[in-house]
Amino acid sequence: NAGVTQTPKFRVLKTGQSMTLLCAQDMNHEYMYWYRQDPGMGLRLIHYSVGEGTTAKGEVPDGYNVSRLKKQNFLLGLESAAPSQTSVYFCASRGGLAAHNEQFFGPGTRLTVL
Amino acid sequence: LAKTTQPISMDSYEGQEVNITCSHNNIATNDYITWYQQFPSQGPRFIIQGYKTKVTNEVASLFIPADRKSSTLSLPRVSLSDTAVYYCLVGYMDSNYQLIWGAGTKLIIKP
Repeated sequence: NAGVTQTPKFRVLKTGQSMTLLCAQDMNHEYMYWYRQDPGMGLRLIHYSVGEGTTAKGEVPDGYNVSRLKKQNFLLGLESAAPSQTSVYFCASRGGLAAHNEQFFGPGTRLTVL
Repeated sequence: LAKTTQPISMDSYEGQEVNITCSHNNIATNDYITWYQQFPSQGPRFIIQGYKTKVTNEVASLFIPADRKSSTLSLPRVSLSDTAVYYCLVGYMDSNYQLIWGAGTKLIIKP
C-alpha cells in the first residue's frame, strides 16, 4: 500500500516550457487535490476532483490545468511555465463525504522555473 | 469561511509538554477542528481531530472549550523529532468545502 505517490520529485523548467505532474493513490479515494506551497506559507488549493471524470477550480487555478481520467490518478499540467510557478506541489486524497476527513498527502514535487 | 489564527513560532525543550493554541472565532456549528503536522520536505500528516471537549490519541490531545472559538493541541513530552510546522484547520460537512490552510506554527524543540 503505497498511499499517495507523486512523479517527478524534482523538476527544473525554463519559462514557457510545459510539463505534467502525476499523482497516484491506491486507497480508492474519491477526492483528490493539488496544492502549492511557497516558502513560509500554508498550502493553497489549485484544483480538486470529487471523482473520476470531474475537476474543479480551487483558490489559485490560473496557469494550471488538471485531468482525472482514472479514479486513482490526478494530473496537474502547466502549459506555459512562469517563474511565479516556482513552488512545491503537493497532491492529496481523501475518502468519504465529509470535508474534514483526513487528507493523505504525497511527498511533493519541487518545481523551479527559470 | 472559518479563519484560524495561530502563533507563527514556538520554542520548547525536550521532555516538556507543548501547547499550541488556535483561535477560530467564526467557527460554524458543523465545523470540525483538525490538526496536521508537516516536517521539512514532506507533505502534511494528520495528527488529531475533534468537534468538542477533549480528544486524545497516541500522539496528542486536543482540547476544545464549550464555545469552540479556540482549540489547543497538546504534545506530551516532546522530543527533537517533534520539530515541525503544525496547522490548525476548521471545516464542515460539505463534500466540496475547501479547507483553508494558514501559515501554521513552526515548533522548534531544543535539546
